[in-house]
Amino acid sequence: AQKITQTQPGMFVQEKEAVTLDCTYDTSDQSYGLFWYKQPSSGEMIFLIYQGSYDEQNATEGRYSLNFQKARKSANLVISASQLGDSAMYFCAMREGLDNDMRFGAGTRLTVKP
Amino acid sequence: DVKVTQSSRYLVKRTGEKVFLECVQDMDHENMFWYRQDPGLGLRLIYFSYDVKMKEKGDIPEGYSVSREKKERFSLILESASTNQTSMYLCASSLGLSGANVLTFGAGSRLTVL
Repeated sequence: AQKITQTQPGMFVQEKEAVTLDCTYDTSDQSYGLFWYKQPSSGEMIFLIYQGSYDEQNATEGRYSLNFQKARKSANLVISASQLGDSAMYFCAMREGLDNDMRFGAGTRLTVKP
Repeated sequence: DVKVTQSSRYLVKRTGEKVFLECVQDMDHENMFWYRQDPGLGLRLIYFSYDVKMKEKGDIPEGYSVSREKKERFSLILESASTNQTSMYLCASSLGLSGANVLTFGAGSRLTVL
Protein backbone atom coordinates (compact mmCIF):
# COMPACT_ATOMS: atom_id res chain seq x y z
CA ALA A 1 0.00 0.00 0.00
CA GLN A 2 1.16 3.52 -0.76
CA LYS A 3 2.56 5.10 2.39
CA ILE A 4 2.84 8.65 1.07
CA THR A 5 0.37 10.18 -1.36
CA GLN A 6 0.87 13.41 -3.25
CA THR A 7 -2.22 13.96 -5.37
CA GLN A 8 -1.00 16.98 -7.33
CA PRO A 9 1.36 16.00 -10.16
CA GLY A 10 1.74 19.66 -11.12
CA MET A 11 0.94 23.04 -9.60
CA PHE A 12 1.21 26.61 -10.83
CA VAL A 13 1.50 29.71 -8.67
CA GLN A 14 1.99 33.37 -9.39
CA GLU A 15 5.18 34.94 -8.10
CA LYS A 16 4.78 36.42 -4.59
CA GLU A 17 1.67 34.37 -3.85
CA ALA A 18 1.42 31.50 -1.37
CA VAL A 19 0.96 27.88 -2.45
CA THR A 20 0.04 24.67 -0.63
CA LEU A 21 1.39 21.29 -1.73
CA ASP A 22 -0.64 18.37 -0.43
CA CYS A 23 0.67 15.25 1.27
CA THR A 24 -1.19 12.49 3.05
CA TYR A 25 0.43 9.52 4.73
CA ASP A 26 -0.47 6.12 6.08
CA THR A 27 1.05 4.62 9.19
CA SER A 28 0.00 2.71 12.28
CA ASP A 29 3.08 3.83 14.21
CA GLN A 30 2.68 6.45 16.90
CA SER A 31 6.20 7.73 16.35
CA TYR A 32 7.14 8.95 12.91
CA GLY A 33 8.76 11.85 11.13
CA LEU A 34 7.60 13.76 8.07
CA PHE A 35 9.94 15.54 5.68
CA TRP A 36 9.74 17.74 2.63
CA TYR A 37 12.47 17.88 0.02
CA LYS A 38 12.92 20.13 -3.00
CA GLN A 39 14.54 18.89 -6.21
CA PRO A 40 15.50 21.62 -8.69
CA SER A 41 16.33 20.80 -12.28
CA SER A 42 19.96 20.25 -11.23
CA GLY A 43 18.80 16.99 -9.62
CA GLU A 44 20.05 17.33 -6.06
CA MET A 45 17.47 16.76 -3.33
CA ILE A 46 17.42 19.59 -0.80
CA PHE A 47 15.92 19.13 2.67
CA LEU A 48 13.35 21.81 3.50
CA ILE A 49 11.47 21.02 6.69
CA TYR A 50 10.78 18.32 9.28
CA GLN A 51 7.79 17.55 11.51
CA GLY A 52 7.82 14.94 14.26
CA SER A 53 4.60 13.13 15.10
CA TYR A 54 4.77 14.30 18.70
CA ASP A 55 5.47 17.92 17.84
CA GLU A 56 2.50 20.00 18.90
CA GLN A 57 3.36 23.03 16.83
CA ASN A 58 3.58 23.15 13.07
CA ALA A 59 7.16 23.32 11.83
CA THR A 60 8.34 26.49 10.11
CA GLU A 61 11.58 27.27 8.26
CA GLY A 62 11.67 30.71 6.72
CA ARG A 63 9.09 30.82 3.93
CA TYR A 64 8.25 27.14 4.42
CA SER A 65 5.72 25.86 6.91
CA LEU A 66 4.23 22.44 7.39
CA ASN A 67 0.49 22.25 8.04
CA PHE A 68 0.38 19.11 10.18
CA GLN A 69 -3.07 17.61 10.78
CA LYS A 70 -2.43 14.40 12.64
CA ALA A 71 -6.00 13.11 12.78
CA ARG A 72 -6.34 13.54 9.03
CA LYS A 73 -2.82 12.17 8.44
CA SER A 74 -1.88 15.11 6.31
CA ALA A 75 1.35 17.11 6.18
CA ASN A 76 0.92 19.84 3.61
CA LEU A 77 3.77 22.15 2.69
CA VAL A 78 2.97 25.85 2.51
CA ILE A 79 5.34 28.13 0.65
CA SER A 80 4.70 31.81 1.25
CA ALA A 81 5.69 34.62 -1.12
CA SER A 82 6.69 32.30 -3.96
CA GLN A 83 9.84 33.10 -5.90
CA LEU A 84 10.89 32.03 -9.38
CA GLY A 85 13.60 29.91 -7.79
CA ASP A 86 10.94 27.85 -6.04
CA SER A 87 10.12 26.16 -9.35
CA ALA A 88 11.10 22.53 -8.74
CA MET A 89 9.85 19.08 -7.83
CA TYR A 90 8.74 18.74 -4.22
CA PHE A 91 8.69 15.43 -2.40
CA CYS A 92 6.97 14.51 0.83
CA ALA A 93 8.57 11.69 2.81
CA MET A 94 8.05 9.74 6.01
CA ARG A 95 10.22 7.71 8.33
CA GLU A 96 8.38 5.43 10.76
CA GLY A 97 9.61 4.68 14.26
CA LEU A 98 13.27 3.67 14.26
CA ASP A 99 13.29 2.64 10.62
CA ASN A 100 16.42 3.63 8.79
CA ASP A 101 14.73 4.05 5.47
CA MET A 102 12.52 6.87 4.32
CA ARG A 103 9.48 6.50 2.06
CA PHE A 104 8.75 9.12 -0.57
CA GLY A 105 5.68 10.28 -2.43
CA ALA A 106 5.53 10.61 -6.20
CA GLY A 107 6.24 14.33 -6.04
CA THR A 108 4.60 17.57 -7.17
CA ARG A 109 6.11 19.78 -9.85
CA LEU A 110 5.69 23.41 -8.88
CA THR A 111 6.01 26.14 -11.47
CA VAL A 112 6.17 29.75 -10.36
CA LYS A 113 4.95 32.21 -12.98
CA PRO A 114 6.43 35.72 -13.22
CA ASP B 1 30.44 22.23 3.07
CA VAL B 2 29.34 18.66 3.70
CA LYS B 3 28.91 16.53 0.66
CA VAL B 4 27.62 13.36 -0.83
CA THR B 5 29.40 12.86 -4.12
CA GLN B 6 28.28 10.54 -6.87
CA SER B 7 31.08 9.78 -9.27
CA SER B 8 29.11 9.89 -12.53
CA ARG B 9 26.30 12.29 -13.42
CA TYR B 10 25.48 10.60 -16.71
CA LEU B 11 26.21 7.07 -17.93
CA VAL B 12 25.23 5.21 -21.07
CA LYS B 13 25.66 1.42 -20.97
CA ARG B 14 24.64 -1.52 -23.10
CA THR B 15 22.34 -4.35 -22.06
CA GLY B 16 24.28 -7.02 -20.20
CA GLU B 17 27.12 -4.76 -19.08
CA LYS B 18 28.19 -4.62 -15.46
CA VAL B 19 27.66 -1.15 -14.04
CA PHE B 20 29.19 0.42 -10.92
CA LEU B 21 27.71 3.55 -9.36
CA GLU B 22 29.95 5.04 -6.72
CA CYS B 23 28.97 7.27 -3.81
CA VAL B 24 31.23 8.93 -1.25
CA GLN B 25 30.23 10.99 1.78
CA ASP B 26 32.50 13.12 3.94
CA MET B 27 30.20 13.52 6.96
CA ASP B 28 31.18 10.36 8.84
CA HIS B 29 27.58 9.17 8.55
CA GLU B 30 26.69 5.67 9.67
CA ASN B 31 23.88 5.09 7.20
CA MET B 32 23.97 5.19 3.42
CA PHE B 33 21.21 4.59 0.91
CA TRP B 34 20.59 4.01 -2.77
CA TYR B 35 17.30 5.16 -4.25
CA ARG B 36 15.94 4.95 -7.74
CA GLN B 37 13.81 7.81 -9.05
CA ASP B 38 11.28 7.38 -11.86
CA PRO B 39 8.61 9.85 -13.02
CA GLY B 40 5.31 9.33 -11.24
CA LEU B 41 6.83 6.86 -8.80
CA GLY B 42 8.92 9.13 -6.62
CA LEU B 43 11.98 7.61 -4.97
CA ARG B 44 12.14 3.92 -4.23
CA LEU B 45 14.70 2.41 -1.91
CA ILE B 46 16.98 -0.19 -3.47
CA TYR B 47 19.41 -0.95 -0.61
CA PHE B 48 20.74 0.70 2.48
CA SER B 49 23.70 0.13 4.75
CA TYR B 50 23.86 0.93 8.46
CA ASP B 51 27.52 0.03 8.93
CA VAL B 52 30.58 -1.12 7.04
CA LYS B 53 29.95 -4.45 5.34
CA MET B 54 26.31 -4.39 6.49
CA LYS B 55 23.40 -4.02 4.09
CA GLU B 56 19.65 -4.34 4.03
CA LYS B 57 17.33 -4.78 1.08
CA GLY B 58 14.91 -2.01 0.31
CA ASP B 59 11.75 -2.21 -1.73
CA ILE B 60 13.27 -3.01 -5.13
CA PRO B 61 16.59 -4.88 -4.69
CA GLU B 62 16.14 -7.27 -7.63
CA GLY B 63 18.85 -6.86 -10.22
CA TYR B 64 21.08 -4.84 -7.89
CA SER B 65 23.77 -5.48 -5.32
CA VAL B 66 25.77 -3.15 -3.09
CA SER B 67 29.15 -2.95 -1.46
CA ARG B 68 30.31 -0.99 1.56
CA GLU B 69 33.94 -1.77 2.35
CA LYS B 70 34.64 1.63 3.91
CA LYS B 71 32.39 3.87 5.96
CA GLU B 72 32.49 6.72 3.50
CA ARG B 73 31.85 4.74 0.32
CA PHE B 74 28.73 2.91 -0.84
CA SER B 75 28.61 1.34 -4.28
CA LEU B 76 25.61 0.18 -6.28
CA ILE B 77 26.26 -2.63 -8.73
CA LEU B 78 24.14 -3.74 -11.67
CA GLU B 79 25.52 -7.18 -12.48
CA SER B 80 23.90 -7.32 -15.91
CA ALA B 81 22.23 -4.08 -16.90
CA SER B 82 18.81 -4.19 -18.52
CA THR B 83 16.80 -1.51 -20.28
CA ASN B 84 14.30 -1.37 -17.41
CA GLN B 85 17.11 -0.16 -15.17
CA THR B 86 17.31 3.09 -17.12
CA SER B 87 16.65 5.62 -14.39
CA MET B 88 17.99 8.31 -12.09
CA TYR B 89 19.91 6.86 -9.13
CA LEU B 90 20.27 8.88 -5.95
CA CYS B 91 22.68 8.15 -3.14
CA ALA B 92 22.05 9.53 0.36
CA SER B 93 23.49 9.33 3.84
CA SER B 94 22.26 10.03 7.36
CA LEU B 95 23.90 10.22 10.75
CA GLY B 96 21.65 8.24 13.01
CA LEU B 97 18.60 6.11 13.42
CA SER B 98 15.98 8.35 14.97
CA GLY B 99 13.09 9.80 13.04
CA ALA B 100 14.52 13.32 12.85
CA ASN B 101 17.67 12.35 11.01
CA VAL B 102 17.73 14.03 7.63
CA LEU B 103 18.95 12.34 4.48
CA THR B 104 21.66 14.23 2.64
CA PHE B 105 21.61 13.44 -1.07
CA GLY B 106 24.10 13.45 -3.87
CA ALA B 107 23.38 15.09 -7.21
CA GLY B 108 22.23 11.86 -8.81
CA SER B 109 23.47 9.57 -11.57
CA ARG B 110 21.32 9.30 -14.68
CA LEU B 111 21.82 5.88 -16.23
CA THR B 112 20.66 4.96 -19.71
CA VAL B 113 20.81 1.30 -20.73
CA LEU B 114 20.59 0.70 -24.49
